[in-house]
Formats: sequence, structure tokens, C-alpha cells
Amino acid sequence: QSVLTQPPSASGAPGQRVTISCTGSSSNIGAGYDAHWYQQLPGTAPKVLIYGNNNRPSGVPDRFSGSKSGTSASLAITGLQAEDEADYYCQSYDSSLSGYVFGTGTKVTVV
Amino acid sequence: QVQLQESGPGLVKPSQTLSLTCTVSGDSISSGIYYWSWIRQPAGKGLEWIGRIYTSGSTNYNPSLKSRVTILVDTSKNQFSLKLSSVTAADTAVYYCAREDSGWHNFDYWGQGTLVTVSS
Repeated sequence: QSVLTQPPSASGAPGQRVTISCTGSSSNIGAGYDAHWYQQLPGTAPKVLIYGNNNRPSGVPDRFSGSKSGTSASLAITGLQAEDEADYYCQSYDSSLSGYVFGTGTKVTVV
Repeated sequence: QVQLQESGPGLVKPSQTLSLTCTVSGDSISSGIYYWSWIRQPAGKGLEWIGRIYTSGSTNYNPSLKSRVTILVDTSKNQFSLKLSSVTAADTAVYYCAREDSGWHNFDYWGQGTLVTVSS
């Protein structure tokens, strides 16, 4: 029951910038709960890319950045590379569900 | 380096109970710093949080699965487990165990995942 909505797909040429939105509501992102982003390469487990809206774990390139405003969060990938082809998911806490929720997922293609 | 590893049957019959175990290495479940979660992903679909447990045994479950889910912790073995009862084909998925940062509430370490198929 995804309550965080993402565009199904996004694409860009190598070197370009791609942004992915994550639209929530007043019971999750809009309530002040943090948004986190994960990258899932084909056949592998998700890996945290951004935590706490805009923080990068060590080892994650600074090409990846996150932001949050109102009931939405965004992930930006600058200097797109072929290795960035993956599925991306946002995640937050929802107070009405009393649990964690993930976004619907966005497949990024490097054309 | 923290590692999580799921184990359990890959095939479960409809109406039976799915049972999985997650073995943690490189960290102690008893540390009390983290929560420990189960997350699943049907083929070609998105991620669904199933529930979590704290070292004390306190649990939180996804309301949509709550009536069928039990998560337990065995600190002596540094393991936690998932039981999902009355399974149907809709429960066929890759099941992941993950560590939750109790400060930021993100999942910072994941197991590789295990495919569980519900079929007779």
C-alpha cells in the first residue's frame, strides 16, 4: 500500500541531471518525518543513498543529493553515469499507518 | 562490517506458515542501538515493510499484515525471525531483513534477500 508516489521512470543522457520526486501527505513527509532514498541495482538488495532528507552515507558520490519541501522529497542525480541505471525508492514513516512506507519506485535509464 | 543473512525454506504451501531467520554478524542485536526489520518485494514490484523488533522484544507490525505476522528475537544466537501465517500466492516475494538506524529511521544494512514462493 504505497502512500508515497514516485514517477515510474526517468531518463537522461550521460552527464545530464535527473530528478525524482516523492510525493507524500500530511501523515508522513508533510508531518515532518524524514525522507530517505535507496538505490536498487538489478538482482541486488536496496542500498541507502540518502538518509535524513539530504545526508549521504560515506562512499556515496556527491553526484547524489536530496531535498525535502512540504509534503514532498526529491532525489537529484547530476553527471549521470551508466552505472546509475537502477530502481530508486523513497521511504518515510507514516503516522496514520504507524509504520514505515516506501515509494512506488522509479526506474532510471541512461540513454 | 555488518552483515545480515536470511535463511529458510524457499517453497511454502498455501495456508501454511512462512518461517525465516536473519543471522546478524559484525554487530550485536543486544546493543540496543538499532531496530531489526523485515521487508519484502514481490517480483517486479515495490518494497513493503513487514515489521520490526527491538532487542527488548518489543515489536511493530504493518497494519495490513499484523494479524498474520510474528517477529521474534534470539539474542543468544544474534538472530531474529519472521513467521507469516496463512500464506497465499500473494505472499510470494523476496524477503529481506534489514537494520534500522534508531536515530534516522532508515534501513542502513540489508541482507541479500531470499525468495519465498507460495505454491502447492
